[in-house]
Amino acid sequence: NAGVTQTPKFRVLKTGQSMTLLCAQDMNHEYMYWYRQDPGMGLRLIHYSVGEGTTAKGEVPDGYNVSRLKKQNFLLGLESAAPSQTSVYFCASSPLGQIYGYTFGSGTRLTVV
Amino acid sequence: GQQLNQSPQSMFIQEGEDVSMNCTSSSIFNTWLWYKQDPGEGPVLLIALYKAGELTSNGRLTAQFGITRKDSFLNISASIPSDVGIYFCAGPHTGGFKTIFGAGTRLFVKA
Repeated sequence: NAGVTQTPKFRVLKTGQSMTLLCAQDMNHEYMYWYRQDPGMGLRLIHYSVGEGTTAKGEVPDGYNVSRLKKQNFLLGLESAAPSQTSVYFCASSPLGQIYGYTFGSGTRLTVV
Repeated sequence: GQQLNQSPQSMFIQEGEDVSMNCTSSSIFNTWLWYKQDPGEGPVLLIALYKAGELTSNGRLTAQFGITRKDSFLNISASIPSDVGIYFCAGPHTGGFKTIFGAGTRLFVKA
């Protein structure tokens, strides 16, 4: 199984440009999450979804939008990229009941210049 | 809100040494999870703990669920260079759908 697949792996954007990060999981997990990781800040939750068609805000949602039209996919959008959004973005999924832990993707490294 | 405090922030050790790190909270957690993140990769689940006092091993790694349910410990025995990475503790947020992560302990191993 592929697990959680993120595309693209790397991207450079100019300030003000938009883009969508794609996350796909093949484990039939109900819950999906988007995190950002910055040096010294650990993992910060941006948005999450507890099922197809649902989304909710995490700790740092400003400047991002998400959609979960299909159970296996969770999309993260940046409408107008800012340098403060330079980060490594991780998608994760988990089955019902988080006590079993998350499966993470390998990350998308985004630089906004 | 619930927070997890990991210590130390970083560790520099010699190959073959044993390593100990911990995670504490002012709140009770009913599940403790330990992840490892290799450089350039996403975190991977190492050990899950579900009961106060529980001691669980995964190869050279051993983790314990503290009796008070407010802390957890991870030990690595006889470290090797591939143990390098960031170790995160985590716990499901009480009453919610989110998991709280600690800031991580960064481990460096010198051969």
